[in-house]
Amino acid sequence: GAVVSQHPSWVICKSGTSVKIECRSLDFQATTMFWYRQFPKQSLMLMATSNEGSKATYEQGVEKDKFLINHASLTLSTLTVTSAHPEDSSFYICSAQGRYRSNYGYTFGSGTRLTVV
Amino acid sequence: RKEVEQDPGPFNVPEGATVAFNCTYSNSASQSFFWYRQDCRKEPKLLMSVYSSGNEDGRFTAQLNRASQYISLLIRDSKLSDSATYLCVVILYGNKLVFGAGTILRVKS
Repeated sequence: GAVVSQHPSWVICKSGTSVKIECRSLDFQATTMFWYRQFPKQSLMLMATSNEGSKATYEQGVEKDKFLINHASLTLSTLTVTSAHPEDSSFYICSAQGRYRSNYGYTFGSGTRLTVV
Repeated sequence: RKEVEQDPGPFNVPEGATVAFNCTYSNSASQSFFWYRQDCRKEPKLLMSVYSSGNEDGRFTAQLNRASQYISLLIRDSKLSDSATYLCVVILYGNKLVFGAGTILRVKS
């Protein structure tokens, strides 16, 4: 089936540093990438939507200058958390939508657990 | 009001039990509906789509009532491996998935 590879699986970083998370669609072209964040015992919250070659559309309350999204190709999207702080510690997960065989379904990456100390 | 609401549980049931989860959504323009399963510290995995006519996949049955804006999931003959968080998911517009907070199921032997 369709696969999205997300790296890293977990990362611990110091406050003030930046962290880049990558999502790659391995066997299909991801025309749209959704980035979510999930705090403990809470739902997945959509942060932003990006289409290949376009600027990302951010949800209300999400700082676009802090969470930089790049979707430069149909197989790669990145989320960079800039100047990370402890309150940014969360589970970040991408979801790619594209055409795999005849299905335009959603495929999730395996998630990145970010801890900022 | 949240766009998608679920009873958080947890539902603690013995093996072999039948358990039902409910979900309500607030936007009548919602287009598509799904149940996802999420294991601890993992990504959500699609369990099944939900249709107005109702659909069944083995031990799992999903129902949609558009008039009441209500979605249900029934699990029969619960297995230990069914223990997870079940997420009700709705597509509102622009292909965005909106997730409920999830219902925790714990199946015990």
